[in-house]
Amino acid sequence: DTGVSQDPRHKITKRGQNVTFRCDPISEHNRLYWYRQTLGQGPEFLTYFQNEAQLEKSRLLSDRFSAERPKGSFSTLEIQRTEQGDSAMYLCASSLGRLSGNTIYFGEGSWLTVV
Amino acid sequence: AQSVAQPEDQVNVAEGNPLTVKCTYSVSGNPYLFWYVQYPNRGLQFLLKYITGDNLVKGSYGFEAEFNKSQTSFHLKKPSALVSDSALYFCAVRDAANQGGKLIFGQGTELSVKP
Repeated sequence: DTGVSQDPRHKITKRGQNVTFRCDPISEHNRLYWYRQTLGQGPEFLTYFQNEAQLEKSRLLSDRFSAERPKGSFSTLEIQRTEQGDSAMYLCASSLGRLSGNTIYFGEGSWLTVV
Repeated sequence: AQSVAQPEDQVNVAEGNPLTVKCTYSVSGNPYLFWYVQYPNRGLQFLLKYITGDNLVKGSYGFEAEFNKSQTSFHLKKPSALVSDSALYFCAVRDAANQGGKLIFGQGTELSVKP
């Protein structure tokens, strides 16, 4: 059983650069979620997909952030013109089906440091 | 709007003693409740969830949680703590009518178990 896979695990970038994170969900999971977590805080919801459709976006997802899931499998989260405030761990998660009781399984996260 | 409160930033217990990590929630409809654990620099691992039925839910690693609707609480418990239980614990809630949408997380509670 392969879990949720995220790449890269760590990224250091200069302010103003663009970065992209990739997430591969658990096989056959049709729901995919992105969260952001800063030190000492709980995960904050960013967006989620049902197959390739992006169903909800948080107000935290500014115009510099874009997420895609073009074929309903893997997803990418791109941050343009990075700022120091973007430094955080970006968590991807997936679940099966539309039932609210379904468990969401998380990946190991992608750490972003903007210098 | 959904929300979760974890009133204790840190809980300290001695190995072998029982532990409780507190969580209260607010949702407009029926709640689905989850507990996750996070070890340093890692993603979130699912521990247990309450969907319906018995108010006492058993999960991984000997943890259990009790759902109390009147007090809107879902406290995490373990009869005998281990040093290896030391980690960050997150409570999360989803409205049952949300059709598999996002989880809302609390701020987390750091559990420290001393030998």
